[in-house]
Amino acid sequence: GIQVEQSPPDLILQEGANSTLRCNFSDSVNNLQWFHQNPWGQLINLFYIPSGTKQNGRLSATTVATERYSLLYISSSQTTDSGVYFCAVELSGSSNTGKLIFGQGTTLQVKP
Amino acid sequence: KAGVTQTPRYLIKTRGQQVTLSCSPISGHRSVSWYQQTPGQGLQFLFEYFSETQRNKGNFPGRFSGRQFSNSRSEMNVSTLELGDSALYLCASSLEGQGETQYFGPGTRLLVL
Repeated sequence: GIQVEQSPPDLILQEGANSTLRCNFSDSVNNLQWFHQNPWGQLINLFYIPSGTKQNGRLSATTVATERYSLLYISSSQTTDSGVYFCAVELSGSSNTGKLIFGQGTTLQVKP
Repeated sequence: KAGVTQTPRYLIKTRGQQVTLSCSPISGHRSVSWYQQTPGQGLQFLFEYFSETQRNKGNFPGRFSGRQFSNSRSEMNVSTLELGDSALYLCASSLEGQGETQYFGPGTRLLVL
């Protein structure tokens, strides 16, 4: 089956630093989402980005579908950015409807 | 619009019991997907419902089942609970379920003793 690999698994930053999180996937996808899981467990939508580039404040994301990877950029990090970041993909086809396949996540700690 | 809601938020059960979790999707969303999150296995897909029909199912035993009602609210049931069923159960909703943004609820934390 499809493999979704995230790197790095863990990241420690000083407040104000920039970071890049990577997600590699092994098959063509028709949905790719980035999430931030808050300390209470809820998955917060960051981006729906099966291809192209999007920006939302200090966060931006780029997906290069032909090369099967996506990048999440966090600029001027803040302590509230701490948590686990997940990449999830959905394959095309009726047998994959509504099924997101998640990577193992990147745990980010931002120190004041 | 109100977000996805899940009840209960926390649950403690003993081995052998059964449990029912509920998920109310965002108004107008007809697809509901369920996921299990554990420290060892990460986030895994359980099943997806659309218009009261299960369209897709993950690799979980038959003890895990679900249903969807005409108002798109969904329930999942786990029978004969095992210690390994302790997990965070998350549901997500989307308009039609294919190639769209999924919006997640806050989850139900289940502890099996």
